[in-house]
Amino acid sequence: GAGVSQSPRYKVAKRGQDVALRCDPISGHVSLFWYQQALGQGPEFLTYFQNEAQLDKSGLPSDRFFAERPEGSVSTLKIQRTQQEDSAVYLCASSLGNRLGNQPQHFGDGTRLSIL
Amino acid sequence: DAKTTQPNSMESNEEEPVHLPCNHSTISGTDYIHWYRQLPSQGPEYVIHGLTSNVNNRMASLAIAEDRKSSTLILHRATLRDAAVYYCILSSGGSNYKLTFGKGTLLTVNP
Repeated sequence: GAGVSQSPRYKVAKRGQDVALRCDPISGHVSLFWYQQALGQGPEFLTYFQNEAQLDKSGLPSDRFFAERPEGSVSTLKIQRTQQEDSAVYLCASSLGNRLGNQPQHFGDGTRLSIL
Repeated sequence: DAKTTQPNSMESNEEEPVHLPCNHSTISGTDYIHWYRQLPSQGPEYVIHGLTSNVNNRMASLAIAEDRKSSTLILHRATLRDAAVYYCILSSGGSNYKLTFGKGTLLTVNP
């Protein structure tokens, strides 16, 4: 079956531009997560959705970062007025359950964002 | 969040077993032990998880110490495709749904 799909795979933008990253989770998965992974580091949590509700956005680095999941399936992570420090791999994950610590998360291969 | 400690790197030979250790001395009674791995240029991949008892699946085995302060991920026969960064993560039920990744263990498999 299809896994988590992210697009685009690579994105290059000039500093100051807005970008939008898309995540298609596994069908039927209730929970959706965004993580940011800097070079040489482990992924860091950004935000979490349960269906369409954004229940935790504590990891978003600034108010330039915005995520939505309006119909409880596809999610978009938007970064406004990009800066060089936003360069990273952005990972999306989904899981079947809701807020259960024993549910595996299934990750996409990420979008590699480079800000020039 | 309870923290885990892993060696920065380990090396193994192809077709030999690999034992990847993880210390989690501050683990609480409701914390599950998860292992994920990340191959180059890919997202993390779930490997296995457990609470108290040892667990086996098609990818690996998880051995959990009786006091739960440490665990070991066992790859029974390493292949070149097992070369990856392996992350040991604690996640409790309820609100601790987010995964907190450390730096993991970089496993090199020699042919």
